[in-house]
Amino acid sequence: DTAVSQTPKYLVTQMGNDKSIKCEQNLGHDTMYWYKQDSKKFLKIMFSYNNKELIINETVPNRFSPKSPDKAHLNLHINSLELGDSAVYFCASSQVRSSGSDEQFFGPGTRLTVL
Amino acid sequence: AQSVSQHNHHVILSEAASLELGCNYSYGGTVNLFWYVQYPGQHLQLLLKYFSGDPLVKGIKGFEAEFIKSKFSFNLRKPSVQWSDTAEYFCAVNTGGFKTIFGAGTRLFVKA
Repeated sequence: DTAVSQTPKYLVTQMGNDKSIKCEQNLGHDTMYWYKQDSKKFLKIMFSYNNKELIINETVPNRFSPKSPDKAHLNLHINSLELGDSAVYFCASSQVRSSGSDEQFFGPGTRLTVL
Repeated sequence: AQSVSQHNHHVILSEAASLELGCNYSYGGTVNLFWYVQYPGQHLQLLLKYFSGDPLVKGIKGFEAEFIKSKFSFNLRKPSVQWSDTAEYFCAVNTGGFKTIFGAGTRLFVKA
């Protein structure tokens, strides 16, 4: 049973195209995240949703638009792809309590290559 | 602004050597602390976590970490590394809200 799944695993596309990445978690968590990991392995938070509500929106170009149809899903749509968008995108989920967020469970990642 | 510093960006060790990876954070309040590992080509997985209680935390695969509040540190240790420990290691800090801040990572290479 995969806890956090993402599709597709690899995405190769031309500059200017629009693409989407899907994420689903079956852990019953109330919070989901999107991270971007660059070639130097630096992990940067992009967005976070709690119970379908946008909680964290870091300084990300508005070409990136997350959508959470329900607590178990968080999708990422990217318009007008640029070379600099090439990276690995990780989805994650966690349960957030009054004391803060518990451990995050990460998906397998989507390697996006923009040509 | 809150931040997490991992001092060693690259570490190379021989098998059976002892490991200590440094992690410091900047936040004066209560924190939840994590170490994650990312094996080559894989996603991040939890090694261990600290919320409260005994500041010496034991995790999977023989790893442990010690929380020293006065030093704002949460260093990761393993007495004897194996070739299979070659990976990227991330320290992460949650300060009570939704956001968890990750350090820049330490790449460990263990020579067989």
